[in-house]
Amino acid sequence: GAVVSQHPSWVICKSGTSVKIECRSLDFQATTMFWYRQFPKQSLMLMATSNEGSKATYEQGVEKDKFLINHASLTLSTLTVTSAHPEDSSFYICSARDGTARAQHFGDGTRLSIL
Amino acid sequence: LAKTTQPISMDSYEGQEVNITCSHNNIATNDYITWYQQFPSQGPRFIIQGYKTKVTNEVASLFIPADRKSSTLSLPRVSLSDTAVYYCPVEAAGNKLTFGGGTRVLVKP
Repeated sequence: GAVVSQHPSWVICKSGTSVKIECRSLDFQATTMFWYRQFPKQSLMLMATSNEGSKATYEQGVEKDKFLINHASLTLSTLTVTSAHPEDSSFYICSARDGTARAQHFGDGTRLSIL
Repeated sequence: LAKTTQPISMDSYEGQEVNITCSHNNIATNDYITWYQQFPSQGPRFIIQGYKTKVTNEVASLFIPADRKSSTLSLPRVSLSDTAVYYCPVEAAGNKLTFGGGTRVLVKP
């Protein structure tokens, strides 16, 4: 079945650095991908919609200059957390919808820890 | 976006049937209902999807009444490995998913 891959699965970095997370659809093309954030014991919260070839659409309260999204191809979207701080530590998950089906497929997430 | 409401947690024992009901009172005419399972430190995994009546696959059944304001996920004969959080987000315009709090299912031996 359709697979979405995220990389890295886990990253630790110092406060003030930028971190890039990749989301790839491995066996289907995705004009739209979604980025979520999940804090411990909480549900997934949609951050933004990544659109291939155009600007991302951000949910209310999500800083677009803080969370840079690039969707340069039909199989790759990247999320860059710029000037990361400890409060940005979270579990980031991407998803994409296979156009032939209605369900979305999720990556396995990236655990980001900012020291 | 349609909001969903689920029980916070449920306990069960191996071999029992687990039924989780999700309320989605504001579901739109074109919205489908999809259930996902999530294990710790993993992304959600698709379980089942439906629009109305009953849908069954190899792992679960989904019951949707005529008014579509709720749905019930049925897991037959659960095992310890079914311990997870179960979500019933509703997909709305733009394929966006809004997740509620989910239901933590604990299967005991």
